[in-house]
Amino acid sequence: QLQLQESGPGLVKPSETLSLTCNVSGDYIRSSSYFWGWIRQPPGKEMEWIASIYYSGNPYYNPSLRSRVTISEDTSKKHFSLKLSSVTAADTAVYYCARGVVGTFIHWFDPWGHGTLVTVSS
Amino acid sequence: DIQMTQSPSSLSASVGDRVTITCRASQSISSYLNWYQHRPGKPPRLLIYAASTLQSGVPSRFSGSGSGTDFTLTINNLQPEDFAIYFCQQSYSTLQYTFGQGTKLEI
Repeated sequence: QLQLQESGPGLVKPSETLSLTCNVSGDYIRSSSYFWGWIRQPPGKEMEWIASIYYSGNPYYNPSLRSRVTISEDTSKKHFSLKLSSVTAADTAVYYCARGVVGTFIHWFDPWGHGTLVTVSS
Repeated sequence: DIQMTQSPSSLSASVGDRVTITCRASQSISSYLNWYQHRPGKPPRLLIYAASTLQSGVPSRFSGSGSGTDFTLTINNLQPEDFAIYFCQQSYSTLQYTFGQGTKLEI
């Protein structure tokens, strides 16, 4: 069974870069049927997709965050990462990593990590 | 962006009840709709994908229906472990997934 666990600082100062890692354990399979993703949920708001990285290595970003986001994968270390630059209080959220599944015609996220709260504050 | 709107925002029910949660898309998304359950202290869990396909291991009391813009998640015979937040997600726009705001199901 695949398990994902987010790690990184819980507090980031405004204008700095938020860096998170998702460690993957269990049934780790690299396949074109899967991709990795980051999703966040600001307090009191809905989930927001941030970025995905596919088997090909191609990254895709939420247009609203594209200029500040980088997603990467280290296959040898079985983890993938998120960097979000120039953070503001609006980036305060619970950040989740998840595996994306490429179905016959639809994508979904399964499983997810527990999430990690990142607060942006001086 | 495709906006996803869930109703109700919160719902009170009792063990053994049947409840229905609705998710509406701002444009047609065919059947590109997934449902998740989020219990406190647990990771979000996929329940249903492609609007009506039950994920492996999910109890059959959960069901989904709909296509186009209107979708429903139905839970029959509510169990204590079902009290959680439920949210929908569209993947019609694969480069801009969006989520509903969630429905909190309370006892």
